Amino acid sequence: EAQVTQNPRYLITVTGKKLTVTCSQNMNHEYMSWYRQDPGLGLRQIYYSMNVEVTDKGDVPEGYKVSRKEKRNFPLILESPSPNQTSLYFCASSRRKDEQFFGPGTRLTVL
Amino acid sequence: GQNIDQPTEMTATEGAIVQINCTYQTSGFNGLFWYQQHAGEAPTFLSYNVLDGLEEKGRFSSFLSRSKGYSYLLLKELQMKDSASYLCAVFVGGNNRKLIWGLGTSLAVNP
Repeated sequence: EAQVTQNPRYLITVTGKKLTVTCSQNMNHEYMSWYRQDPGLGLRQIYYSMNVEVTDKGDVPEGYKVSRKEKRNFPLILESPSPNQTSLYFCASSRRKDEQFFGPGTRLTVL
Repeated sequence: GQNIDQPTEMTATEGAIVQINCTYQTSGFNGLFWYQQHAGEAPTFLSYNVLDGLEEKGRFSSFLSRSKGYSYLLLKELQMKDSASYLCAVFVGGNNRKLIWGLGTSLAVNP
């Protein structure tokens, strides 16, 4: 089954404790992206990747890192999480001009 | 600047027809997407318009007028399960395959 998976689905952590949210897709898509979604602000892009070893900043990259060592995986790293990073996070993948396929989301709470 | 406008909320009755409008002002245009998002879940693709006119897909249709910067999503024979948020997104293209997202229209379908 074609899908995008994310882990964990839910996470409660404390300020400053490094965490990684994994994202994997099995559709051989070149393009992958991370979004955060907050009430009243909609979907905002954090980082994106056009292909392996090619990543770039989206609209709200501060406080986040990504890597793309393999085509299928695109982890999101929060080196020192802060409460303003409490949000619902989505990973997405697509081919060139096609629709984006979204993962199920990760609900992160930073205390 | 980049701007997408959608109504915040709409209400409709089961079995009826509802039209959700989206107007956009973007620096480029390479197509317009509509996504459906149920509360707490991932957005799922509904339609993609790149040329002017109406695209029909079952109970859902989407219309685009590029000259007016306008699109609408038409939902027929409304069902309770259609209660969700509907997101309009413009693909402005470029090397980063940028999508500009609207804030979404929350549709409540009442019995």
